[in-house]
Amino acid sequence: QSELTQPPSVSGAPGQRVTISCSGSSSNIGADFDVHWYQVVPGTAPRLLIYGDNNRPSGVPDRFSGSKSATSASLAITGLQAEDEAEYFCQSYDSSLRGWVFGTGTMLTVL
Amino acid sequence: QVQLVESGGRLVKPGGSLRLSCAASGFTFSDYYMTWIRQAPGKGLEWVAYIGSSGNTMHYAESVKGRFTCSRDNTQRLLYLQMNSLRAEDTAVYYCARFGGPSFPYNWFDRWGQGALVTVSS
Repeated sequence: QSELTQPPSVSGAPGQRVTISCSGSSSNIGADFDVHWYQVVPGTAPRLLIYGDNNRPSGVPDRFSGSKSATSASLAITGLQAEDEAEYFCQSYDSSLRGWVFGTGTMLTVL
Repeated sequence: QVQLVESGGRLVKPGGSLRLSCAASGFTFSDYYMTWIRQAPGKGLEWVAYIGSSGNTMHYAESVKGRFTCSRDNTQRLLYLQMNSLRAEDTAVYYCARFGGPSFPYNWFDRWGQGALVTVSS
């Protein structure tokens, strides 16, 4: 059972902007633990997209951005490209579970 | 470049045991905490276990505590996950990943392997 809730799916046309939400609680995001985001394409190694709420690792395009407020976080993707089609997960730490938790995952479809 | 390669995944019967390995290259393995994360078919990611850089500190998710053991060989640059008393619900792709970030537990996982499939079925 995931402690972080995401919408099951989002979609957008090439060039458009989409956002993916990640809703947590007072024991994880609301406790000011950082939120990180990953891109998962089946059969490949998951890729870190955003760390520390809103930081991009080198090599990640600035089309990807993160934000956090209260008990929620969001990933925004602008200028959608076909290669962005993947599943996206948020991640944080949960002080009640004493472990790292992931979101339920959101499948992005580029129309 | 940083590379993590898992091996050892296969079909195993309920109650059986299996050991996964993860070979690391392209970075100073002994400097990093490492972790195992799994994804069951059609489900999300689930953190399983972590091990400190020297191998003296481990912590497990409640779902695997007492059944799984994480270990490492820093001279061989290998990470292991020993899985005992396997259950159908342990069926998943198992990823090894490297901890990122300077401050525990505000960590992220900055490099991942491609995963090893473990299927628990009779």
